[in-house]
Amino acid sequence: EAEVAQSPRYKITEKSQAVAFWCDPISGHATLYWYRQILGQGPELLVQFQDESVVDDSQLPKDRFSAERLKGVDSTLKIQPAELGDSAMYLCASSLERGYSYEQYFGPGTRLTVT
Amino acid sequence: AQSVAQPEDQVNVAEGNPLTVKCTYSVSGNPYLFWYVQYPNRGLQFLLKYITGDNLVKGSYGFEAEFNKSQTSFHLKKPSALVSDSALYFCAVRDSGGGADGLTFGKGTHLIIQP
Repeated sequence: EAEVAQSPRYKITEKSQAVAFWCDPISGHATLYWYRQILGQGPELLVQFQDESVVDDSQLPKDRFSAERLKGVDSTLKIQPAELGDSAMYLCASSLERGYSYEQYFGPGTRLTVT
Repeated sequence: AQSVAQPEDQVNVAEGNPLTVKCTYSVSGNPYLFWYVQYPNRGLQFLLKYITGDNLVKGSYGFEAEFNKSQTSFHLKKPSALVSDSALYFCAVRDSGGGADGLTFGKGTHLIIQP
């Protein structure tokens, strides 16, 4: 069964450093999402891509976070500089298309710890 | 704005007994509703969804959920609980008429099945 791939699985970084996460969606999925899940809470959407275009980044802290999906396949989420409050699980998800009822398939996540 | 409430942080059920995990939602239009399950240090796994049609939807691992429009609820149920059902369960919603389709999640409910 096809899965969403994410790397690294765990990342420890010092505050003020840069960090990047990678996601490879299920083959053929046009829509890609990045969510942040703080311990004890549900995931919150950061950014949504349709192919290589950003559909929604209203909740992305753009002063320090950036996301790209240059060729409309895999994606990178970057934080620079990292802050203590960024410690969380970062989840990538993909779905076949947007604007329909398709479910989202989630990767295993990257657990970020900022010290 | 859309929102999801999961009123119980934890639900305890004896193995073999029926289980219910509660969820209520708020959207401006018609809802698309989802249930996901999360095991420790893992991403979210899709269980089931309600889009339209029959109010009772069946999903993976014997789970089902009932959509109640008048009560704006979408409770997750299973007739006979297994110890392996113990996990963190998330209810999620999106507005069917929205342009962006990121999901809004509840805070999650820990389901503990006691042998």
